[in-house]
Amino acid sequence: EVQLVESGGGLVQPGGSLRLSCAASGFTFSSYWMSWVRQAPGKGLEWVANIKQDGSEKYYVDSVKGRFTISRDNAKNSLYLQMNSLRAEDTAVYYCARELPRFATFDYWGQGTLVTVSS
Amino acid sequence: QSALTQPASVSGSPGQSITISCTGTSSDVGGYNYVSWYQQHPGKAPKLMIYEVSNRPSGVSNRFSGSKSGNTASLTISGLQAEDEADYYCSSYTSSSTSLYVFGTGTKVTVL
Repeated sequence: EVQLVESGGGLVQPGGSLRLSCAASGFTFSSYWMSWVRQAPGKGLEWVANIKQDGSEKYYVDSVKGRFTISRDNAKNSLYLQMNSLRAEDTAVYYCARELPRFATFDYWGQGTLVTVSS
Repeated sequence: QSALTQPASVSGSPGQSITISCTGTSSDVGGYNYVSWYQQHPGKAPKLMIYEVSNRPSGVSNRFSGSKSGNTASLTISGLQAEDEADYYCSSYTSSSTSLYVFGTGTKVTVL
């Protein structure tokens, strides 16, 4: 069974940093693109970033470029999102999702971790 | 990159059929057959229901179907059931320079 479990969320002040993790199991993690997708409270979904199987390609939505860094450790079956210079508008539940670029879709999602940026 | 436009809410009685629209542009919905639909129950993770406009993943009920015409994609739920009450989001690949994927504004489906 495919499982994605996020962790690392919490309350952080504006300008602060946070590192999210996503532990994957039930599939060959190193064979898949992975993405982070976020959802602000009461709002819709927003794609944030993705990373190729070997980490050689990474893409970001414009609003987080230069502040967020996506990475992965295939030996640990883990995906990460380093978030710096956090803003109030980054407040959201962050989901990690397995991506199928061939179909431009996300077939499995974790339960999410809440990041709150507030003073 | 603006979000794809969906109606805020759609409702129907058990057994009825409903359709949710998702309107974009030629840079996303109209330009590619890469429209997906996700179901999200309150406090839960999204679940993939449809990909590539009309394909159902294994395990998804055939009561869910998708289609597209021009810049508008649609999700139809037939034989509406109480468990279908949830939020639904469309998404598409986009050729925008600001993002790779764009999601819809979301539609709350209520079973009367």
